Amino acid sequence: EAGVVQSPRYKIIEKKQPVAFWCNPISGHNTLYWYLQNLGQGPELLIRYENEEAVDDSQLPKDRFSAERLKGVDSTLKIQPAELGDSAVYLCASSGGSGNEQFFGPGTRLTVL
Amino acid sequence: DAKTTQPPSMDCAEGRAANLPCNHSTISGNEYVYWYRQIHSQGPQYIIHGLKNNETNEMASLIITEDRKSSTLILPHATLRDTAVYYCIVGNTDKLIFGTGTRLQVFP
Repeated sequence: EAGVVQSPRYKIIEKKQPVAFWCNPISGHNTLYWYLQNLGQGPELLIRYENEEAVDDSQLPKDRFSAERLKGVDSTLKIQPAELGDSAVYLCASSGGSGNEQFFGPGTRLTVL
Repeated sequence: DAKTTQPPSMDCAEGRAANLPCNHSTISGNEYVYWYRQIHSQGPQYIIHGLKNNETNEMASLIITEDRKSSTLILPHATLRDTAVYYCIVGNTDKLIFGTGTRLQVFP
């Protein structure tokens, strides 16, 4: 069974440029999460989806970050414009529903120059 | 959500048991204890979770004290591939709040 797929694995951009990350969750998983992980820190939740609905986006910086999960499967996280402080690993996870373990993808490492 | 306290780092000899402690003195009655680990350059991986009773699976055992204020993750026979950061989290699975974890180094 395929795990959570993320692309790209690495991205280098200049500040003020836009960037997008893509996530394909495990088949059948209705719940999808985006996390941000800074160096030496644990992951921090940005947004959680139940199917296509964002049920917890309280930690998403909405001035520059946006996310979508239009058909309740794949999801895209966007930053526009990127800032130097956005350099981090962006992780996607999925689960089969409330009470189930989360499965994480390998992450996208973003470097903003 | 309750906070957890873990030692920043631990060492363990290969083949020996690794016992990773976690304090969660403010845990509430309906909060679970979860353990995840993160191997370098990979996403976190679920290990085990429990509410009150001790739990065991193919990866590890989880011992929760009777007052639920602390727990210990046990890797019975550590291997070099168990070198990772181990996160102890209390709460519910919908919102995992990660701390900085314990960096376990398994040496030959």
